[in-house]
Amino acid sequence: AQSVAQPEDQVNVAEGNPLTVKCTYSVSGNPYLFWYVQYPNRGLQFLLKYITGDNLVKGSYGFEAEFNKSQTSFHLKKPSALVSDSALYFCAVRAPGMSNNDMRFGAGTRLTVKP
Amino acid sequence: DGGITQSPKYLFRKEGQNVTLSCEQNLNHDAMYWYRQDPGQGLRLIYYSQIVNDFQKGDIAEGYSVSREKKESFPLTVTSAQKNPTAFYLCASRNSNTEAFFGQGTRLTVV
Repeated sequence: AQSVAQPEDQVNVAEGNPLTVKCTYSVSGNPYLFWYVQYPNRGLQFLLKYITGDNLVKGSYGFEAEFNKSQTSFHLKKPSALVSDSALYFCAVRAPGMSNNDMRFGAGTRLTVKP
Repeated sequence: DGGITQSPKYLFRKEGQNVTLSCEQNLNHDAMYWYRQDPGQGLRLIYYSQIVNDFQKGDIAEGYSVSREKKESFPLTVTSAQKNPTAFYLCASRNSNTEAFFGQGTRLTVV
């Protein structure tokens, strides 16, 4: 069975500092990995994905993530955090060739960026 | 604009009442999903559909029902059998190798 874990419920950073939101996964085969962001009372917005190719993936709003196969991780990063980045972040994993229901989400990490 | 639309944004249900949440997409996506989100928890899959007139139970299907009569539409009914329906409901769609696109959600409250 495939799964994804976000080990931190909450991440706090100061504005202008780099941020990292962690994600690890467990899947058979090569994974498809995704990051989404959710603002209060809104749906999830897609940030970036890793399907194949370069391990460093760049996405929306200056976010990037690095696929690390040996550590089975896909941490989300941003060099300089903004207060407006404060939101709930979800990592998701899917294994190619699996049925369409097999997209698993982490429990979410609440990012707070303080001025 | 292309997208996925959920309605209503807020919904109130009385005890013992069935309610239906709407989800419409004009992205020409084959697969559609319903998720439930509770505070402090991730998304849990209720039902999904890969093609018209076919759908499958997810992890927490009890007390819910769906239909997929048209490719664009995937309504979710919360029945009286669902004992704890207060939650935020999210609809999503995607094609085979794309990311999922989400609606803006419906917040259901039992009164």
